[in-house]
Amino acid sequence: DIVMTQSPDSLAVSLGERATINCKSSQSVFYSSNNKNFLAWYQQKPGQPPKLLIYWASTRESGVPDRFSGSGSGTDFTLTISSLQAEDVAVYYCQQYYVAPYTFGQGTKLEIK
Amino acid sequence: EVQLVEFGGDLVQPGRSLRLSCAASGFTFDDHAMHWVRQAPGKGLEWVSVISWNSGSIGYADSVKGRFTISRDNAKNSLYLQMNSLRGEDTALYYCAKDKGASGDFTGYLDVWGRGTLVTVSS
Repeated sequence: DIVMTQSPDSLAVSLGERATINCKSSQSVFYSSNNKNFLAWYQQKPGQPPKLLIYWASTRESGVPDRFSGSGSGTDFTLTISSLQAEDVAVYYCQQYYVAPYTFGQGTKLEIK
Repeated sequence: EVQLVEFGGDLVQPGRSLRLSCAASGFTFDDHAMHWVRQAPGKGLEWVSVISWNSGSIGYADSVKGRFTISRDNAKNSLYLQMNSLRGEDTALYYCAKDKGASGDFTGYLDVWGRGTLVTVSS
């Protein structure tokens, strides 16, 4: 199984500042035949189900604010929130869908400093 | 409105069985693969199972393989998870989720989630 490891486990950022969450996969999730990275990011607020933010490592889901961006390729990926808003407090998960089982990272808890 | 509603969660003794259901509405159900994902209390997300649009392709996490069976009824816009030989470590909130891919086969990323149904395995 592909192991997804996120860092840090928790993060406190001031309002308006940049937040960066990292995700590393134990093997590459890049598929050369379609030139895509099979990596998604989700946001989960307390008491709510996860919400898809980013897929194909950098494609923003419809309705997701453009302060959220994804980058990276192969085994190393980053979710960046360019200017943290109060409503961004949540746990963030990366997920690989390169091969089943479609494993998630352990989550990164984002709080306001 | 696109919606998924899970039900069937309950308190059950170890070794017993339980069947979860998920009712889908607001989209063409048989255009999409469907997944189950679970979350133990206070823990992270664990992918459980997937089924393609026509039930022709199915996948399971190793932790549930041989004990859980995923199925769907496209005529009823419903997804199911039959859980047998339940263990304490199966205690979790079980989410039904829609695969974003529109081909019917699974892409693996999930754009619509239900609110979950709680399964508690305890004597």
